[in-house]
Amino acid sequence: GAGVSQSPSNKVTEKGKDVELRCDPISGHTALYWYRQSLGQGLEFLIYFQGNSAPDKSGLPSDRFSAERTGGSVSTLTIQRTQQEDSAVYLCASSLNPGAGGTDTQYFGPGTRLTVL
Amino acid sequence: AQTVTQSQPEMSVQEAETVTLSCTYDTSESNYYLFWYKQPPSRQMILVIRQEAYKQQNATENRFSVNFQKAAKSFSLKISDSQLGDTAMYFCAFMGKTSGSRLTFGEGTQLTVNP
Repeated sequence: GAGVSQSPSNKVTEKGKDVELRCDPISGHTALYWYRQSLGQGLEFLIYFQGNSAPDKSGLPSDRFSAERTGGSVSTLTIQRTQQEDSAVYLCASSLNPGAGGTDTQYFGPGTRLTVL
Repeated sequence: AQTVTQSQPEMSVQEAETVTLSCTYDTSESNYYLFWYKQPPSRQMILVIRQEAYKQQNATENRFSVNFQKAAKSFSLKISDSQLGDTAMYFCAFMGKTSGSRLTFGEGTQLTVNP
């Protein structure tokens, strides 16, 4: 079946602009995660959605970052007023249903490389 | 908070040889999962192997196996009969059952398989 997909693959923007990154999880997966991969910080957790529960936003680095998940499927990560330190690869992952005894393995998309000039 | 440490930033191995990548972690949880992911230049993170902490038997997946030492909090990955396609960055990751479903990653080990 289809894996996790992300768009765009690459995004170049100017400092101060807003960007939206999209993630399509594997069909049937109820959990969705966003991570950031940067040279200085390695791989960091950003946010986690599970079904209809309130998302775990504890990893978001500032209030310029937000994410939503519509209809329990597609998710959009929005970065407002981008800064150069936001340059990184943003990875999305999904898993089956960790809260109900399903596998906790997370399957990743190919990522979006964001470059802020 | 959990921490994951990979002390080998880079490793290399000859094709067909065996290589072991090291990972240690620190946690106060008793119920957790451990993972090895590989990330080739395509950026796609690919699951290599996973281990449930309550299982004493080491996980194996074809040429990949782990040495899980729970008391020592060590989780090393052994790759047998290395292939050129194994060249990638390898990340060790921890997920605690009581601390949410987030993954905590190590710094990564860049493995190069030489012909």
